Amino acid sequence: DIQMTQSPSSLSASVGDRVTITCRASQSVNNYLNWYQQKPGKAPKLLIYVASNLQSGVPSRFSGSGSGTDFTLTISSLQPEDFATYFCQQSYSSPITFGPGTKVDIK
Amino acid sequence: QVQLEQSGAEVKKPGASVKVSCKASGYSFSNYAMHWVRQAPGQRLEWMGWINAGNGRTKYSQNFQGRVTITRDTSATTVYMEVSSLRSEDTAVYYCARDWSDISGYSYYFNYWGQGTLVTVSS
Repeated sequence: DIQMTQSPSSLSASVGDRVTITCRASQSVNNYLNWYQQKPGKAPKLLIYVASNLQSGVPSRFSGSGSGTDFTLTISSLQPEDFATYFCQQSYSSPITFGPGTKVDIK
Repeated sequence: QVQLEQSGAEVKKPGASVKVSCKASGYSFSNYAMHWVRQAPGQRLEWMGWINAGNGRTKYSQNFQGRVTITRDTSATTVYMEVSSLRSEDTAVYYCARDWSDISGYSYYFNYWGQGTLVTVSS
């Protein structure tokens, strides 16, 4: 199985901050890397697919980059509704695997 | 609009089975695959398997060692996921999630999710 790691595991930030979250795969996943946002008690929400494609309806302050084993999710200007946990997911090979999550909370 | 409505919370004893349903609406049911993903308390999301809602073909994560069965009822536009031989470690929220692509090319990422079903395994 492809193992996914994320850093940091949590971070504190203020509204308006630029936030970057990193995801690393144990082997190349090409660009088949996706990002989700999850709020407490809710289902995950797809933000970015195939490394850098913004899902319809997702604000443009979210962006993704990377290929191979190293990827980043960037929030250009953090908004109050962005405080949540963010997961990466590889869709390159079965079984599909997810990262452990990065919790973004209010500074 | 696309909606995935899951069945309610369940409490089961170790060794029992549980069957969770996911009723789909707002799209052509047979044209998409449906996946199941679970999340144990404080843990990462874990993919369990999927079903092609058109032809019923399934694929499962080997991590569940034959304990998971996914089926569908096209007339009811509903997908079912059954876990057998439950143990305490199966306590989790179980989600159905629709594949982003139609069945002409699976994507294995998910743009629509059910609300989740909490399954608690306790003696």
